[in-house]
Amino acid sequence: QSALTQPPSASGSPGQSVTISCTGTSSDVGGYNYVSWYQQHPGKAPKLMIYEVSKRPSGVPDRFSGSKSGNTASLTVSGLQAEDEADYYCSSYAVSNNFGVFGGGTKLTVL
Amino acid sequence: EVLLVESGGGLVQPGGSLRLSCAASGFAFSTYPMNWVRQAPGTGLEYVSGISSDGGRTYYANSVKGRFTISRDNSKNMMYLQMGSLRAEDMAVYYCARKLIPATMDVWGKGTTVTVSS
Repeated sequence: QSALTQPPSASGSPGQSVTISCTGTSSDVGGYNYVSWYQQHPGKAPKLMIYEVSKRPSGVPDRFSGSKSGNTASLTVSGLQAEDEADYYCSSYAVSNNFGVFGGGTKLTVL
Repeated sequence: EVLLVESGGGLVQPGGSLRLSCAASGFAFSTYPMNWVRQAPGTGLEYVSGISSDGGRTYYANSVKGRFTISRDNSKNMMYLQMGSLRAEDMAVYYCARKLIPATMDVWGKGTTVTVSS
């Protein structure tokens, strides 16, 4: 069982927006602004998409945005494109360990 | 180009040992903490182990504590994961990743596959 809770699946049509949630506790998501999101295509390594809740690394399209409210962080993908179909994982610093914790992952399908 | 390349994966019997390597290039390796993250077949990501930039501090997931040892050689731009007493549940793709800040890894290798089977 993952420490952070994500919906197993999400979907949207091209051009639409979709939001993926990531729920933790006050000891991780709610207590720190170290929340990141990773995109993983099948057979590929994860790719950092969002860090520190809402910051985008260079090269990540601004269609990807992050936010946080209380113990829940969210990743929003606007203007969905076919190449956005992938698994998405959230991660947060956790006071209980020195790494952080991952969510169980959400499979995003572009219909 | 910033690059991480893992090697050393393979087939090992339960109870056996394996040493994974991670070769870094294109950045100042000695200034970054590093992590190992694994992904069992069909499942999500799991932090395995981490090491500070100078190698002085190491961290382990409870699931591997006492069986795995992380190390690095900054003179060779290399990181290692010595895995022992391997179990079926250790079977996974192992990624090395550069750590920026807590819970944030901005560079990942392509991974190396560890299969534990008799």
